[in-house]
Amino acid sequence: GESVGLHLPTLSVQEGDNSIINCAYSNSASDYFIWYKQESGKGPQFIIDIRSNMDKRQGQRVTVLLNKTVKHLSLQIAATQPGDSAVYFCAGAEYGNKLVFGAGTILRVKS
Amino acid sequence: GAGVSQSPRYKVAKRGQDVALRCDPISGHVSLFWYQQALGQGPEFLTYFQNEAQLDKSGLPSDRFFAERPEGSVSTLKIQRTQQEDSAVYLCASSPIRGGDEKLFFGSGTQLSVL
Repeated sequence: GESVGLHLPTLSVQEGDNSIINCAYSNSASDYFIWYKQESGKGPQFIIDIRSNMDKRQGQRVTVLLNKTVKHLSLQIAATQPGDSAVYFCAGAEYGNKLVFGAGTILRVKS
Repeated sequence: GAGVSQSPRYKVAKRGQDVALRCDPISGHVSLFWYQQALGQGPEFLTYFQNEAQLDKSGLPSDRFFAERPEGSVSTLKIQRTQQEDSAVYLCASSPIRGGDEKLFFGSGTQLSVL
């Protein structure tokens, strides 16, 4: 979603529940997307990526879904754990161009 | 080292001072990127090196910003005559791939505060 300054969208989930974090992108020519996790005081950490010729990709406890028709990307985290609490960024790139990051979503996991 | 190392971790500068931020990439990584991350925002691209060559500096916000990687390993981002709007976290990332966006390993950043 959209965010302005400090007001990042926040998703609060109960430990053990599934989380879905959404991202909208504007460049229809983007052909590569990545989700990053950023914990407080650390740099972004790669979670999972997907190319535009796919609509779904699964990793360990994470799934990325890509809907090119509506230019929407989502990250699903299964059985969310307290260690998943962080800011999550989507990033996209058009071939040959640099990654562009979204503004981020805060995930808070309640024990 | 095991990861990308950045120093200093925190830097406080008075407006008008020059600062130098250091990045030690993962050994052998050919690509090195600098990003600027304002509070509550995603990282924004500043500049890109392939070995010692600065191939893209389109993201540098002004001519007060200068980056170098003279021997193709350690890189320094220099900001001259710092302004309050320069306050941000400066992230360095390296990659084993030329072009490298797809396999970025980030450092923990330098948090710059300009007073």
